[in-house]
Amino acid sequence: DIQMTQSPSSLSASVGDRVTVTCRANQSIDNYLNWFQQKPGKAPKLLIYAASSLHSGVPSGFSGSGSGTDFTLTISSLQPGDFATYYCQQSFRTPFTFGQGTKLEIK
Amino acid sequence: QVQLQESGPGLVKPSETLSLTCSVSGGSINSGGYFWTWIRQHPRRGLEWIGSIYYNGITYYNPSLRSGVSISMDTSANQFSLSLTSVTAADTAVYYCARGNLRWKEVDFWGQGTLVTVSP
Repeated sequence: DIQMTQSPSSLSASVGDRVTVTCRANQSIDNYLNWFQQKPGKAPKLLIYAASSLHSGVPSGFSGSGSGTDFTLTISSLQPGDFATYYCQQSFRTPFTFGQGTKLEIK
Repeated sequence: QVQLQESGPGLVKPSETLSLTCSVSGGSINSGGYFWTWIRQHPRRGLEWIGSIYYNGITYYNPSLRSGVSISMDTSANQFSLSLTSVTAADTAVYYCARGNLRWKEVDFWGQGTLVTVSP
């Protein structure tokens, strides 16, 4: 299985901050990398697919970059609704695997 | 916009079979371009891909879940289902059904999730 490792596991930040979350695959996954946001008690929501494509309806403050093994999710200016847990997922090869999550908390 | 809804028992006894159904509205499950998937999330833990069924009936499963996993589709009812045999407490989780797109395999629409507890 392809292993996905996110860093950091948790992050404290303030409204208006610029935040970056990193995801690393243990082998190349081309651009088959997706980012999800999950709030407590809710299903994950797709933010970014194909490493850098913004899913429909997602605010432009979210962006993704990277290819191969190293990827980043950037939130340009944190909004109150952005405090949540973020997961990366590779869809290059089954079984599709997720990172362990990054919990973004209010400082 | 497509919507998905999981249904099934919330409590299953150890060694029995977990069966869930996902009802899809707003789109046909046998239309090209999509696959249909089950993902679970253990309490306070991360997300685990269980398996997928494509619009043409081809299935893929996570090998870590043993040979007891099966996903099927009922095109007349626009539903797809998950069966997991010989469950243990380790199968206690929130189970999500979702839709994926064939090009980049991203999962774009999810059900709300249903908690299944395995307990005597």
